[in-house]
Amino acid sequence: DAKTTQPPSMDCAEGRAANLPCNHSTISGNEYVYWYRQIHSQGPQYIIHGLKNNETNEMASLIITEDRKSSTLILPHATLRDTAVYYCIVRGHTGGFKTIFGAGTRLFVKA
Amino acid sequence: EAGVAQSPRYKIIEKRQSVAFWCNPISGHATLYWYQQILGQGPKLLIQFQNNGVVDDSQLPKDRFSAERLKGVDSTLKIQPAKLEDSAVYLCASSTGSRAFFGQGTRLTVV
Repeated sequence: DAKTTQPPSMDCAEGRAANLPCNHSTISGNEYVYWYRQIHSQGPQYIIHGLKNNETNEMASLIITEDRKSSTLILPHATLRDTAVYYCIVRGHTGGFKTIFGAGTRLFVKA
Repeated sequence: EAGVAQSPRYKIIEKRQSVAFWCNPISGHATLYWYQQILGQGPKLLIQFQNNGVVDDSQLPKDRFSAERLKGVDSTLKIQPAKLEDSAVYLCASSTGSRAFFGQGTRLTVV
């Protein structure tokens, strides 16, 4: 599975959009981009995933560049409860979740 | 839908003692994972089961760690003897394929 690069931390004002970038320049054609988040003292929680089209669900939007080498997770109206570590991972749909989780981006949402 | 259950939530042991963690995955999930998460780092895969068979245990320190998944449902992870560097959160996850669902983890402190 391809490796990912994320900024170690970001700040966001409550109510504003949080845009979390991820670089995955070695992604291969059959690999998906997944985003998980981990709130303090909890296990990682699935947010969203996509292959090449932009995706949206009730939690967030995922924007994947046309060359698929990078993506952005958008939390449209961040709340204090969105403060967490956000992990961007890349994996194929077969072979399980062997993917290496990096250190992720620690998002601080401030009032 | 019930989530992935893990117990205990916290455990403190002395080095050289043994410890066991238990995981009950989401009903019907054939794939089960154990991860180790050291403070400040992302989860690292220790072992992956498909039903009751091991798919990947390449990162499991087999001299002291063991895991089993009898009958393809519940799983236990054991450490014997524990070392100080085993202090971490041990996460269990289960998957149907496209998404992995994580438990809250067991926080192990070795003193």
